[in-house]
Amino acid sequence: QLQLHESGPGLVKPSETLSLTCNVSGGSINNNAYYWGWIRQAPGKGLETIGSVYHSGRAYYNPSLNSRVTISVDTSKNQFSLKMTSVTAADTAVYYCARLVIRGVKIDYWGQGALVTVSS
Amino acid sequence: QSALTQPASVSGSPGQSITISCTGTSRDVGNYNLVSWYQQYPGRAPKLIIHEVNERPSGVSDRFSGSKSGNTASLTISGLQTEDEADYYCCSYAGTSTWVFGGGTNLTVL
Repeated sequence: QLQLHESGPGLVKPSETLSLTCNVSGGSINNNAYYWGWIRQAPGKGLETIGSVYHSGRAYYNPSLNSRVTISVDTSKNQFSLKMTSVTAADTAVYYCARLVIRGVKIDYWGQGALVTVSS
Repeated sequence: QSALTQPASVSGSPGQSITISCTGTSRDVGNYNLVSWYQQYPGRAPKLIIHEVNERPSGVSDRFSGSKSGNTASLTISGLQTEDEADYYCCSYAGTSTWVFGGGTNLTVL
């Protein structure tokens, strides 16, 4: 059974960089059938795509966040990561990592989510 | 890349049917048969219930069905049950390996 687990600081100061890692177990990231993505949900709000990465390292980003976001993959550790620079209170959210099936563009596995609060 | 438009809330009585709409544009919903729907309970991660407009993953009740016409996709839940009370999100492929969610719909089963 595939499992995804987010880890990283739960509190980040304004203007600093948010960093999260998603550890994948029960399956390999090095698979042509999937993208590995990040989605966030601000408190009481809807889901917002951040971006995704292929096992080759090719990444795709939501245009509204593009300039602040980097998603990378480490196939040797079977994990992928998110970095978001210059955070503000508006970036406070639950951050989910997920597996996106390329054929069908469907998200079939989600992590449990990690709450990141931006506050001084 | 704008969010897809969903009604903020819908409600129905047990046993009834409800439909949630999801309106996009010719660049996303209207251009691809790659609309999916997710069910989310409070404090939980979303769960895939429909993909590719009208396909159900294994284990998902056949009370859930999807459709699409033009730039609008729809999720229908028939025979409403109290356990269906949750938030529902549509999602569409938007080209160039990106995808976009709807704003979400809160379903209340009265």
